[in-house]
Amino acid sequence: KAGVTQTPRYLIKTRGQQVTLSCSPISGHRSVSWYQQTPGQGLQFLFEYFSETQRNKGNFPGRFSGRQFSNSRSEMNVSTLELGDSALYLCASSFNSGIAKNIQYFGAGTRLSVL
Amino acid sequence: AQSVSQHNHHVILSEAASLELGCNYSYGGTVNLFWYVQYPGQHLQLLLKYFSGDPLVKGIKGFEAEFIKSKFSFNLRKPSVQWSDTAEYFCAVNAPGAGSYQLTFGKGTKLSVIP
Repeated sequence: KAGVTQTPRYLIKTRGQQVTLSCSPISGHRSVSWYQQTPGQGLQFLFEYFSETQRNKGNFPGRFSGRQFSNSRSEMNVSTLELGDSALYLCASSFNSGIAKNIQYFGAGTRLSVL
Repeated sequence: AQSVSQHNHHVILSEAASLELGCNYSYGGTVNLFWYVQYPGQHLQLLLKYFSGDPLVKGIKGFEAEFIKSKFSFNLRKPSVQWSDTAEYFCAVNAPGAGSYQLTFGKGTKLSVIP
């Protein structure tokens, strides 16, 4: 079974631009969560999607948004990029029922550098 | 909201030494507890988890962790580390009773094992 796939792996953008990151969950997983990882703040939760609906949201500004498609693939978008948005963005998927819904499987991440 | 603290930022051990990494969480309700590992250049992988039952849980690669409810702790242990255990270790918690499966992570502990 293929793992969580994130594309692209690396991105370089300049301040003020916008960026879209993509995540394909493990087959059969319907919940997708996004996290931001930085050296200073560590891993922070951005949002979670389930059945195309945002179910939970972390404490990030509205410039960070996401969506989920009917095939469970998810995208996150960051508009008006700032230098501080430079980070590794991780996507995680989980099964949607039973105790397994508590277990999240992570992708390799997209490393975003904002210049 | 829950929070997680990991006591050690960087731990350096010689091969065959014993390992214990501290993790404390704050949350008054029922939690699920996790340890994830991030090897250099690789994605986050689940080492072990605790949902309920026996507070001593065993994970992959010889790791184990003990949940002590009275101390709000979930420390990770390994009797004898190997060079290949060099990685960053993250303790995480979720609180499904609060209707959220999002993970709250500690800041991580970097483990360096010297051959």
